[in-house]
Amino acid sequence: AQTVTQSQPEMSVQEAETVTLSCTYDTSESDYYLFWYKQPPSRQMILVIRQEAYKQQNATENRFSVNFQKAAKSFSLKISDSQLGDAAMYFCAYTGNQFYFGTGTSLTVIP
Amino acid sequence: DVKVTQSSRYLVKRTGEKVFLECVQDMDHENMFWYRQDPGLGLRLIYFSYDVKMKEKGDIPEGYSVSREKKERFSLILESASTNQTSMYLCASSFQGLEGETQYFGPGTRLLVL
Repeated sequence: AQTVTQSQPEMSVQEAETVTLSCTYDTSESDYYLFWYKQPPSRQMILVIRQEAYKQQNATENRFSVNFQKAAKSFSLKISDSQLGDAAMYFCAYTGNQFYFGTGTSLTVIP
Repeated sequence: DVKVTQSSRYLVKRTGEKVFLECVQDMDHENMFWYRQDPGLGLRLIYFSYDVKMKEKGDIPEGYSVSREKKERFSLILESASTNQTSMYLCASSFQGLEGETQYFGPGTRLLVL
């Protein structure tokens, strides 16, 4: 069965610094997508970034980028120039035949 | 922009009550999902639907049922609410396309069962 593991329940970063959130997954499928979602406190879950497994190039969205290591089944999120508004719960997710979410990483941004 | 709405942000019910949680999406998505979110457990899939009048069990369907009479609306029903169903409930929708079935979420309903 597919699983998604986020081994860091909590992380913190100084404002303007860079932080990396880890995610590993387990699958036997060859065609799938990976996602990072952000859930700010008491606010709606939104998509941060998406990666297609068949693409070698790592996805980037402004200050957010991923390090996708397909052989290692690793999908980490890097947030550069962290801002106070980045404070949130971040979920890693996988979709092949079904959607699977990790347990989340709570990110605190320190002014 | 995709818009997914849920009928209530907060709900308080008593044990044994029948509870209806409504979800509506306005983007003509085929797929709709219900999750519950609990601290330390992430999101767990309760039920999903790939078409009108179709439903599939997720990982934790016990104690829940769903209804999808129209494409845009997906309802979650707690037949007899229990205290262990106190949780945040999230609805999502998606379509199978170039986005790889990206899910779009509603704001969530925080349910308290007393």
